[in-house]
Parts: sequence; C-alpha cells; structure tokens
Amino acid sequence: DAGVTQSPTHLIKTRGQQVTLRCSPKSGHDTVSWYQQALGQGPQFIFQYYEEEERQRGNFPDRFSGHQFPNYSSELNVNALLLGDSALYLCASKPTGANYGYTFGSGTRLTVV
Amino acid sequence: QQQVKQSPQSLIVQKGGISIINCAYENTAFDYFPWYQQFPGKGPALLIAIRPDVSEKKEGRFTISFNKSAKQFSLHIMDSQPGDSATYFCAASVSGGYQKVTFGTGTKLQVIP
Repeated sequence: DAGVTQSPTHLIKTRGQQVTLRCSPKSGHDTVSWYQQALGQGPQFIFQYYEEEERQRGNFPDRFSGHQFPNYSSELNVNALLLGDSALYLCASKPTGANYGYTFGSGTRLTVV
Repeated sequence: QQQVKQSPQSLIVQKGGISIINCAYENTAFDYFPWYQQFPGKGPALLIAIRPDVSEKKEGRFTISFNKSAKQFSLHIMDSQPGDSATYFCAASVSGGYQKVTFGTGTKLQVIP
C-alpha cells in the first residue's frame, strides 16, 4: 500500500518564478494538508483541502495557493518565488474525521536561487 | 497564535540511556498530542500519540507522559539505540473536523554507542 507520494523530490527555481508541487494521498485518505519546513525548524501549516475546497489556512501569503482534484490528489502553487521560500514542502493526508495522526510524504525540497 | 514549545533543541544520549523531550502548549482546546520522528531526507512519521484523558501511554520503548493541569507532555525513550538518532517533533491538534497540526520546533537526538 503506497503512502503519500510527492513529486518532484527536488526542485531549483529562480527568484520570481512560479512552482507547482504535487501530492497523491495515501489510499483511503481524502483530506490533504500542506506544510512548509524550513531547515532546522518544525513544519508550518500552509493549508488543508477536503472535498476540493480549502478548509483551513495558516499564516501564509496569497502567493501560496492550492488545489484538490476529484481523486483527492493535490497541488501546491507558489507564485513570485522569494529566496525565503526555500524549504522542504510536505504533504500529509488522513481520512476525514479520523482522530489520528497524519501520514506525511517525504517532501519536495525547493531551492530558490 | 497557537504554540507548542519544545525542549531541548538537541540531545546527546549514550546507548542504553533514557532520552527525555519536553513540550508545553497554550491552547486548552488541543485534545490530541502526537509525536513524530523524522530522519534526514524523509517526512515526519507518527511515533506515538496521546489524548488528555490519560496521563501516560507506552508503546514499546516509547512512553508519553501527560500533565493536563500543567499543559505539558513529554516523550521518554527507554534503552535508547543509535537507530533512534533522528529529529523528534511534538505536536498538538483539535480532533474532529479538519485537524490542523501545530508542531513544536524539534529536538535533534543523537544516541552514541
């Protein structure tokens, strides 16, 4: 049973560019959350999707946007990249309403130069 | 701002010793407290979790102690092994609905032979 799958694993972008990261949740999971993890820090919540709608959002600017598809997969888009956006971006999934922990993917390492 | 404070930032323990990581939270609405283990290049993996209706939960060598009145909880790793060397994150969330997980800042554990 595949867990959470993220692509690509690594990415290098230039400041000002736009990037799209992709996530396939674990089988049976329909809620997807995205986190940003800066080097040496804990993951910071970006937003959460359920039924193709953004349900909660963390303290991130509108440059960060997302989408969830009918098959529950999700995308994270970041526009006008800044050097400070360099981080590990983590996708996590769980069944809706289930009161247990999220399953995390291995993340996409984004480097902005 | 919901916060979870974690200490120490780093920890060195000899093989066979006890590793102790402490966390404190502010939001009394939190009712689910997971611990995640993260190895380099990987996403966080759920290790063990506790709810505030119990004061202790043990799974193998890992034990969570929970003090609801003090709003504190801790992870104890008994008989620490070199394979336990990783970064550990405490976290907290409000169960039900759309669970946004708030992470601590992490503790880098090194178990030396």
